[in-house]
Amino acid sequence: DGGITQSPKYLFRKEGQNVTLSCEQNLNHDAMYWYRQDPGQGLRLIYYSQIVNDFQKGDIAEGYSVSREKKESFPLTVTSAQKNPTAFYLCASSSRSLDSPLHFGNGTRLTVT
Amino acid sequence: QKEVEQNSGPLSVPEGAIASLNCTYSDRGSQSFFWYRQYSGKSPELIMFIYSNGDKEDGRFTAQLNKASQYVSLLIRDSQPSDSATYLCAVNPMNSGGYQKVTFGIGTKLQVIP
Repeated sequence: DGGITQSPKYLFRKEGQNVTLSCEQNLNHDAMYWYRQDPGQGLRLIYYSQIVNDFQKGDIAEGYSVSREKKESFPLTVTSAQKNPTAFYLCASSSRSLDSPLHFGNGTRLTVT
Repeated sequence: QKEVEQNSGPLSVPEGAIASLNCTYSDRGSQSFFWYRQYSGKSPELIMFIYSNGDKEDGRFTAQLNKASQYVSLLIRDSQPSDSATYLCAVNPMNSGGYQKVTFGIGTKLQVIP
């Protein structure tokens, strides 16, 4: 079955450590996205990528980095520069047509102490 | 002004009633509109999408779009306790440059009371 796989489901890190969240899709979608969700704030776009080896900052990119070396993969690194990294992180993908919905992975809940 | 506005709720309805969820958006050129359902601790799942004025029905769900009023709604008929979730309105603007620069509302929490 096609879908998006995020791993791990839960992640715990100490403050000051970088951490990488994995996202893999087998939907053959060109575009991939990373969102962050905090209580009461909805989903906010961190980074997005339309094609391999290209990505753009979203609304809250500071303290995060991404890579897109393969069409199927779009890992997100939460760096020590991110001031409030504890959140629920969602990866999504879509085709490039305007009426194509986002397909979400199951999410990674990151807790930094 | 927020780009996509929703009342955070909670909206409480009795089992079997019609739940009406509303969303307004600020970008008049927006092209496509989505409703996602999100259970607590889970990822969003697509319920409906609509891009033409009027109503679109799928089972117990009806999406309504009024571009002149910049308003989109979701009606859930015969509400069930399993419909209790947060419903996210998402809007895709016209000038998105070939990708889905979707903007989400904060979501409306729906509680269906047995």
